[in-house]
Amino acid sequence: ETGVTQTPRHLVMGMTNKKSLKCEQHLGHNAMYWYKQSAKKPLELMFVYNFKEQTENNSVPSRFSPECPNSSHLFLHLHTLQPEDSALYLCASSQGGPPYEQYFGPGTRLTVT
Amino acid sequence: DAKTTQPNSMESNEEEPVHLPCNHSTISGTDYIHWYRQLPSQGPEYVIHGLTSNVNNRMASLAIAEDRKSSTLILHRATLRDAAVYYCILQDNYGQNFVFGPGTRLSVLP
Repeated sequence: ETGVTQTPRHLVMGMTNKKSLKCEQHLGHNAMYWYKQSAKKPLELMFVYNFKEQTENNSVPSRFSPECPNSSHLFLHLHTLQPEDSALYLCASSQGGPPYEQYFGPGTRLTVT
Repeated sequence: DAKTTQPNSMESNEEEPVHLPCNHSTISGTDYIHWYRQLPSQGPEYVIHGLTSNVNNRMASLAIAEDRKSSTLILHRATLRDAAVYYCILQDNYGQNFVFGPGTRLSVLP
């Protein structure tokens, strides 16, 4: 138990659906992250929020829309996804300053049909 | 692209020490060296980090070369539960450019 929870743990959605992934951290951290892990590929950093402000967006397609209403919660809104978006989506949190030691949630396994 | 290079895989016997190497020849003066590991079907787990000096914690030790261009993660007594992918990552002072490479897949043999 890392103090970072993600829901749902598994999600199957069609290409025309809209769904959201939720992440919550109970560690008092100020920075939150979304990562994508596709099969047999390294983790890819998608978005970073620090003190609720988006500080990094690594050329992620607009069909992925993050939202950070406060320092404890992070959402990833999904719409019109493609089958190649099927992956494990991981959330992490850290303090808002160096050394940015990150604590990861268990991930949401997303399948797009 | 990841700024570190690691062997793709390593093997160890149970209860023996394991030394996992990492090269980071382009490290800048303010980059932290982080190590994470990912057990099967789990999210990555923080292991240890350092800046210039060697570091020890309950999980592992981190030995950093004097020129900081390489480091070694040391597991003092490998157990079967240490079988995982180990990632060596550089992070700048602003928390950006945190790039995971493919890591080293450690197998522990009973």
